[in-house]
Amino acid sequence: QQQVKQSPQSLIVQKGGIPIINCAYENTAFDYFPWYQQFPGKGPALLIAIRPDVSEKKEGRFTISFNKSAKQFSLHIMDSQPGDSATYFCAAKMMGSARQLTFGSGTQLTVLP
Amino acid sequence: NAGVTQTPKFRVLKTGQSMTLLCAQDMNHEYMYWYRQDPGMGLRLIHYSVGEGTTAKGEVPDGYNVSRLKKQNFLLGLESAAPSQTSVYFCASRDRGQNTGELFFGEGSRLTVL
Repeated sequence: QQQVKQSPQSLIVQKGGIPIINCAYENTAFDYFPWYQQFPGKGPALLIAIRPDVSEKKEGRFTISFNKSAKQFSLHIMDSQPGDSATYFCAAKMMGSARQLTFGSGTQLTVLP
Repeated sequence: NAGVTQTPKFRVLKTGQSMTLLCAQDMNHEYMYWYRQDPGMGLRLIHYSVGEGTTAKGEVPDGYNVSRLKKQNFLLGLESAAPSQTSVYFCASRDRGQNTGELFFGEGSRLTVL
């Protein structure tokens, strides 16, 4: 059973656009929500993470918005660049669990020049 | 630092053959994980280890075995490969005290089972 639902599956934007990737969860025992970025032929790497008691977090051009009551969170990429073309995964970390993360299904982002 | 290193990077097997994927990390991390990545399925946890000599099942453990004889190494074995195990396999590690969801991943091992 997938506990983190991610959409869309793929996304194409023009350079300078603001792609938005959405995720939803159900389990209230999650206590951290990281986003991972994966380039072709590479492993995923942590991009940015947020706690559920914070509504927004920015790191450079990347912003996470978090809506605790709706159990939803999203990644926004400001002024997107072709170099941002990658697959993005949202994830949720279970409190106190060694298993760590449940991942969303991934979004393949293409930023056209 | 090399970080997390996976070998081999590519492998083709015939149905019924066996093989072992090796993961090595040089960050002295306690926890190590094996995931598989399939299109539209995200990353699914196969097995994990919280320390040398310990292993536990993840979300999709059937058909796989693991061993953690040394702290820096985590092996994933397929005893009798099936076409359904065609996938990209990722190893990851983290420090025991890391609680923000940051895992360090290798570059993956692409396995094709014919």
